Amino acid sequence: EDQVTQSPEALRLQEGESSSLNCSYTVSGLRGLFWYRQDPGKGPEFLFTLYSAGEEKEKERLKATLTKKESFLHITAPKPEDSATYLCAVQDGAQKLVFGQGTRLTINP
Amino acid sequence: EAQVTQNPRYLITVTGKKLTVTCSQNMNHEYMSWYRQDPGLGLRQIYYSMNVEVTDKGDVPEGYKVSRKEKRNFPLILESPSPNQTSLYFCASKPAGVDTQYFGPGTRLTVL
Repeated sequence: EDQVTQSPEALRLQEGESSSLNCSYTVSGLRGLFWYRQDPGKGPEFLFTLYSAGEEKEKERLKATLTKKESFLHITAPKPEDSATYLCAVQDGAQKLVFGQGTRLTINP
Repeated sequence: EAQVTQNPRYLITVTGKKLTVTCSQNMNHEYMSWYRQDPGLGLRQIYYSMNVEVTDKGDVPEGYKVSRKEKRNFPLILESPSPNQTSLYFCASKPAGVDTQYFGPGTRLTVL
C-alpha cells in the first residue's frame, strides 16, 4: 500500500531562518512526487513535480529534491508570506494520488 | 481564467437529506477527481474519472456517488448523508498525459 509521511507536523521559523520539510514515501512504481501549498480555506496550489531520484526543482525561495525514499522541500530565507501548509503526494502507475498529512509552516516576522 | 469551480462553498445539512456538490472545469481536462480532507488524515481520494462516462472508486467511496455525463462537470452525490461525511471536499482536474492535478477552492460540508 502506498504511504506518505511528512515531518514535522508543524514548524515555526523566524523570518530569514532557512529549514527543510521532509516527505518519506513508499510506493509501488513511482510515477511522480508532488509538492503543493495550501493556504487556510483554499485548495492546494501546485508547486513542483519530481520524477526520479536526484532531480531538483526551484521556485523563488523553495527548492524540492528527491531520493529513492524521500523528498525534501528546502526553504531559504523565508518570509511571512511563505506561511502555509505544505503537502506532499505520490502518484503510482494507476494515477492515484496519495497525500501525506502536511507540514504547517509558520514564519514569524 | 482557467479554473476549477465548486458549488456550494459551504453547506450545512441534516442526516439523510440528499445533496449534490457540483464541480466544473473550463480547461477541457479529461481527468477529474474528488477528495475529502480531514484533520490528521490528509487528503483522500473518493472517486475519479478518466473521461466522460468513465468513473472509478478511490480509497474512500462508501456513501458517495458520481457521474460524468459531460467533460466539464463531475458532480459528487451524497444520497443519504451521515455525520461522518462532515468534511472539506476538493475537486481536481488534469489533462490526459499530464501528471499535475489542479484543485478547486473546496466545499465545507457539515452534516448534523
